[in-house]
Amino acid sequence: AQSVTQPDIHITVSEGASLELRCNYSYGATPYLFWYVQSPGQGLQLLLKYFSGDTLVQGIKGFEAEFKRSQSSFNLRKPSVHWSDAAEYFCAVGARNAGNMLTFGGGTRLMVKP
Amino acid sequence: NAGVTQTPKFRILKIGQSMTLQCTQDMNHNYMYWYRQDPGMGLKLIYYSVGAGITDKGEVPNGYNVSRSTTEDFPLRLELAAPSQTSVYFCASSYNPRTDSPLEKLFFGSGTQLSVL
Repeated sequence: AQSVTQPDIHITVSEGASLELRCNYSYGATPYLFWYVQSPGQGLQLLLKYFSGDTLVQGIKGFEAEFKRSQSSFNLRKPSVHWSDAAEYFCAVGARNAGNMLTFGGGTRLMVKP
Repeated sequence: NAGVTQTPKFRILKIGQSMTLQCTQDMNHNYMYWYRQDPGMGLKLIYYSVGAGITDKGEVPNGYNVSRSTTEDFPLRLELAAPSQTSVYFCASSYNPRTDSPLEKLFFGSGTQLSVL
């Protein structure tokens, strides 16, 4: 069974600083990988996804993520954080079988200092 | 654009009561999911459905039941509410042309906050 670990529960960065959120997964084959963002009181919104091909994927809101098979990682990055990026971020892995169920990490709460 | 609609938004239950969380989507998606979100734990899949008349268990199905009589609706039933079921529940849907294709993105409802006291 697949699993996802997000080592950082909380991260605080200054506005304008760069950001990297870590995600490590466990899965027996090449996974489908996702990053979702959740604003307070809202459902989750897809930021980006990786299925195959180029290991650096671009998403919405200026986010990108890089799939590194050797490290079983899919870290999310943004070069310059905006105050509106404060939210909770979830990494997820999808299994390539019937149902394509997603397994989510525990989330990383991002706080942005002015 | 309604998307995925969940009702109610908030509910307080007493131990042993039952209730149904409603979920409907108007995007003609074949896949629907119920997740629960506990603080610091991410989302756990309760049940999912790949089409009308087909449902299957996820990671944490105990204490819940689902049905999928139509493409649009996927209600989640709690028969005997327990404090351990206090959580935020999210319904989601997605479209998959076939089971071996990459999962398209999930569309989430805004959630139901349930407290069992």
